[in-house]
Amino acid sequence: KAGVTQTPRYLIKTRGQQVTLSCSPISGHRSVSWYQQTPGQGLQFLFEYFSETQRNKGNFPGRFSGRQFSNSRSEMNVSTLELGDSALYLCASSFPGTEKNGYTFGSGTRLTVV
Amino acid sequence: GIQVEQSPPDLILQEGANSTLRCNFSDSVNNLQWFHQNPWGQLINLFYIPSGTKQNGRLSATTVATERYSLLYISSSQTTDSGVYFCATGTYKYIFGTGTRLKVLA
Repeated sequence: KAGVTQTPRYLIKTRGQQVTLSCSPISGHRSVSWYQQTPGQGLQFLFEYFSETQRNKGNFPGRFSGRQFSNSRSEMNVSTLELGDSALYLCASSFPGTEKNGYTFGSGTRLTVV
Repeated sequence: GIQVEQSPPDLILQEGANSTLRCNFSDSVNNLQWFHQNPWGQLINLFYIPSGTKQNGRLSATTVATERYSLLYISSSQTTDSGVYFCATGTYKYIFGTGTRLKVLA
């Protein structure tokens, strides 16, 4: 059974550019969450999607957005990149009703903004 | 909002040693999970443990919800146990602790 797949694994972008990250959940999983991990702030929740709808949102500026497709794959977009957006971006997926038992995380996309 | 703190922040062990990692939370929680982040960045779900004790091989965890803390025990540590251990609470939105970075030396 394939795990949560995130692409690309590594990315280098320039300040001011925009970036799109992709997350393919485990087959059958419909909830997809995104997290940002930085050395200074630790792991922080970005947003969660379920059935193509954003269900929960963290405290990030509007430059961070996401969407979910009908096949549950999700993308997140960061516009007007800043140096502080350099981070490991993790997505996680869960089967409906089993969120309490834990999400399965992908290996992440490491974004470097120069 | 709820605060989750972990101790110690860093831990270095010789292979074969035992260790206890602690997670304190500032308010009552209805779920608590432990994760291991491997050197490649992936978070591996270790335990879902809102209360009580669970064991899985050399790892075990105990949560005392009334006293707002959870403990992760690692026995007979191996080099593959190295990485960062996080506790987290929440359902659709995890609040992660500050993490304990563990290095096991051969």
